[in-house]
Amino acid sequence: NAGVTQTPKFQVLKTGQSMTLQCAQDMNHEYMSWYRQDPGMGLRLIHYSVGAGITDQGEVPNGYNVSRSTTEDFPLRLLSAAPSQTSVYFCASSRTGAAGGIQYFGAGTRLSVL
Amino acid sequence: ELKVEQNPLFLSMQEGKNYTIYCNYSTTSDRLYWYRQDPGKSLESLFVLLSNGAVKQEGRLMASLDTKARLSTLHITAAVHDLSATYFCAVEKNRGSTLGRLYFGRGTQLTVWP
Repeated sequence: NAGVTQTPKFQVLKTGQSMTLQCAQDMNHEYMSWYRQDPGMGLRLIHYSVGAGITDQGEVPNGYNVSRSTTEDFPLRLLSAAPSQTSVYFCASSRTGAAGGIQYFGAGTRLSVL
Repeated sequence: ELKVEQNPLFLSMQEGKNYTIYCNYSTTSDRLYWYRQDPGKSLESLFVLLSNGAVKQEGRLMASLDTKARLSTLHITAAVHDLSATYFCAVEKNRGSTLGRLYFGRGTQLTVWP
């Protein structure tokens, strides 16, 4: 029972490098999202998706891209890493609609940008 | 934009004592969630509160929701060390384009000491 799987768990980048954070879920959830967590700030929504082919911006989307080609996968791309993107990134998934439901979180990716 | 405020942000309490964490939000919402996060770990769902007057209990934790006051509380009874963690409330709006989107409070860091 894998749930939400994020890779890598840790990453160090140099300023200007690009990379992709992977997120996969095996619960057939329509809704997937990316958050970043900074000390004392709670979780802030970066991008989210309500189904394959549909994505939208959250609260802090600048510097990040997403796509959703399948129900299972929702990768987050950093286009040109900056020190301000040093953070812990969480991917989450849930059902949508009237039933809605709990968002299940991955283990997180700890990213440092030097 | 929906705002979620938690207080206190830091709580240090002795084992055996009772205390309440408060979560206020700025506009009408559809669901309210409480999550727990241990240091360096992911978020774990504790409660989902769906309607006015809803009350959920699990062990020493009890959560309630007053939608008219836009207030949820997480009450801790006879605290034990194992409850030390950061607790987040999150509010969901399920209307139109914001379907499933969560707005998080900044979290309450709870430390329980002997």
